[in-house]
Amino acid sequence: GDSVTQMEGPVTLSEEAFLTINCTYTATGYPSLFWYVQYPGEGLQLLLKATKADDKGSNKGFEATYRKETTSFHLEKGSVQVSDSAVYFCALSDRQGAQKLVFGQGTRLTINP
Amino acid sequence: DTGVSQNPRHKITKRGQNVTFRCDPISEHNRLYWYRQTLGQGPEFLTYFQNEAQLEKSRLLSDRFSAERPKGSFSTLEIQRTEQGDSAMYLCASSLVETALGYTFGSGTRLTVV
Repeated sequence: GDSVTQMEGPVTLSEEAFLTINCTYTATGYPSLFWYVQYPGEGLQLLLKATKADDKGSNKGFEATYRKETTSFHLEKGSVQVSDSAVYFCALSDRQGAQKLVFGQGTRLTINP
Repeated sequence: DTGVSQNPRHKITKRGQNVTFRCDPISEHNRLYWYRQTLGQGPEFLTYFQNEAQLEKSRLLSDRFSAERPKGSFSTLEIQRTEQGDSAMYLCASSLVETALGYTFGSGTRLTVV
């Protein structure tokens, strides 16, 4: 079945550092790809998405590009802030049918001032 | 509209007891999903409804689990004869079929079985 593999955490960075969280996927079709973020004590929030190959999703300074050739959707941010500390989940979904999400295991990110 | 609401936020129960969780989706959303998230893992799909019809159930949803969505509005998830392995965060999400994958998640119900 479809699956998502994320970079192992936790990840600890200093403020203003460059962030990359790796995500690769396995899917039989052509899924849509997502990054969700979970702040402490809160629900999952959609951070960004891309629905086809070479699309770039972006939001709040975060970016990820749908790379079909490498089956990857790595999350990047040029300069992280303390407020970016959270757990980040990569996910995929069929574009038709149930559109249920398949998540990676999550990567905990801590940003130190 | 205040988003997807889940109640209770926390539930502690003794093994063998039955529990029921409620999810109130965004009012105009016709799809409703249930996911389960265990500690240190990503959420896993349990089931989903389109209006009042339950269209798919995961093999994770054993016979002790049942979900309903009467009248296509709120939904309930019941777990009978709870086991310690049921301890998890239960997440609800809603969306419009017509919207390209626009899920909104609730804050979840954390279940602890002692």
